[in-house]
Amino acid sequence: QKEVEQNSGPLSVPEGAIASLNCTYSDRGSQSFFWYRQYSGKSPELIMSIYSNGDKEDGRFTAQLNKASQYVSLLIRDSQPSDSATYLCAVPSGGYQKVTFGTGTKLQVIP
Amino acid sequence: EAGVAQSPRYKIIEKRQSVAFWCNPISGHATLYWYQQILGQGPKLLIQFQNNGVVDDSQLPKDRFSAERLKGVDSTLKIQPAKLEDSAVYLCASSARIGFGGHHNSPLHFGNGTRLTVT
Repeated sequence: QKEVEQNSGPLSVPEGAIASLNCTYSDRGSQSFFWYRQYSGKSPELIMSIYSNGDKEDGRFTAQLNKASQYVSLLIRDSQPSDSATYLCAVPSGGYQKVTFGTGTKLQVIP
Repeated sequence: EAGVAQSPRYKIIEKRQSVAFWCNPISGHATLYWYQQILGQGPKLLIQFQNNGVVDDSQLPKDRFSAERLKGVDSTLKIQPAKLEDSAVYLCASSARIGFGGHHNSPLHFGNGTRLTVT
């Protein structure tokens, strides 16, 4: 089992719709979870951090965490073409908190 | 605050040559990471430093890759000799705090990366 798993996509949604991105992780002890956005040819940039079960909202972005199911998701409301990018889930785990990234989900927002 | 600095931005070398990358993290960040990102894949952790000590290098191909972080600040990653499959973007990142003792991890901040092409 991979430490962090994401569906590689592409996920295509029409402009204005809600995009739902999912991530599962293997280490039950993980306490911190990050979502990054990566445009083609650019470095990853942080969108959201989430540490507690439940939802965390920041503008059009909502991160959802369910530690019992080892599942974290990112919802993007009112999707815009500028949201088209690859979204990476990152989870620290282990004694020294090695930070592992998923393979990323490519999102395409269709105008 | 100044971000993570990396150099060079691009490098083209022939196989069997050597190459070195440099990274200067955000001031005060204790943890420094080197990732390899092959086109179409997620970043793969090569090595993680806590101050000037290595805390994870399980995926570093140690027969050809080496890294150091002298004085716990900037870091260099070296490849010698390079292979065709080393063509990738090498990303350096830093974070302020690892989540020991119930504390949360600080997020990673990335540099612009070095795009390496091995011909």
